Amino acid sequence: AQSVAQPEDQVNVAEGNPLTVKCTYSVSGNPYLFWYVQYPNRGLQFLLKYITGDNLVKGSYGFEAEFNKSQTSFHLKKPSALVSDSALYFCAVKGGATNKLIFGTGTLLAVQP
Amino acid sequence: DAGVIQSPRHEVTEMGQEVTLRCKPISGHDYLFWYRQTMMRGLELLIYFNNNVPIDDSGMPEDRFSAKMPNASFSTLKIQPSEPRDSAVYFCASRPSGGRSYEQYFGPGTRLTVT
Repeated sequence: AQSVAQPEDQVNVAEGNPLTVKCTYSVSGNPYLFWYVQYPNRGLQFLLKYITGDNLVKGSYGFEAEFNKSQTSFHLKKPSALVSDSALYFCAVKGGATNKLIFGTGTLLAVQP
Repeated sequence: DAGVIQSPRHEVTEMGQEVTLRCKPISGHDYLFWYRQTMMRGLELLIYFNNNVPIDDSGMPEDRFSAKMPNASFSTLKIQPSEPRDSAVYFCASRPSGGRSYEQYFGPGTRLTVT
């Protein structure tokens, strides 16, 4: 069965420092991977996806993610964090032959000024 | 273009009452998904539709929950009777079919409180 794991409940980073939010996946077949962000009292917003091609995927708000097949990881990164990046981040994988997205448990990113 | 629209944004009701949540997907999107989010259980898929037809309702918690999609631009999620443990934020999401655009677009959610 398809699944994703976000091993960190919370990530703390100082403004201006690089950030990484981790995600590992388990799939049968080719992975279709996604990152979403949720700001307080808002719905989830799509950030970026990996379907095929370049292992480094660029998305909204300066975020990027690196697909690593050997480590079955899809970590979200940003070179320089902003306080406004503080939010809940979800990794997701397409559920095999279904049209579902399987979401991780979420990682709370806190960027300190 | 308007995004996914949900109403109401907040609902407070008493245990035993019927609750109806509403969703209007993005025009042209023929997949519609209902999710529930709680602190304890995270984000759970309840049911999804394709071309107004329910495809997978395995996430619907029990018979008190029902969902309909009478046309391409409207869906409802009904809870009858409601219980305090149904308190959560309910999200609707939609996406188009075709190609490999599997990303879903979420509405702002309905925060349900059952007292």
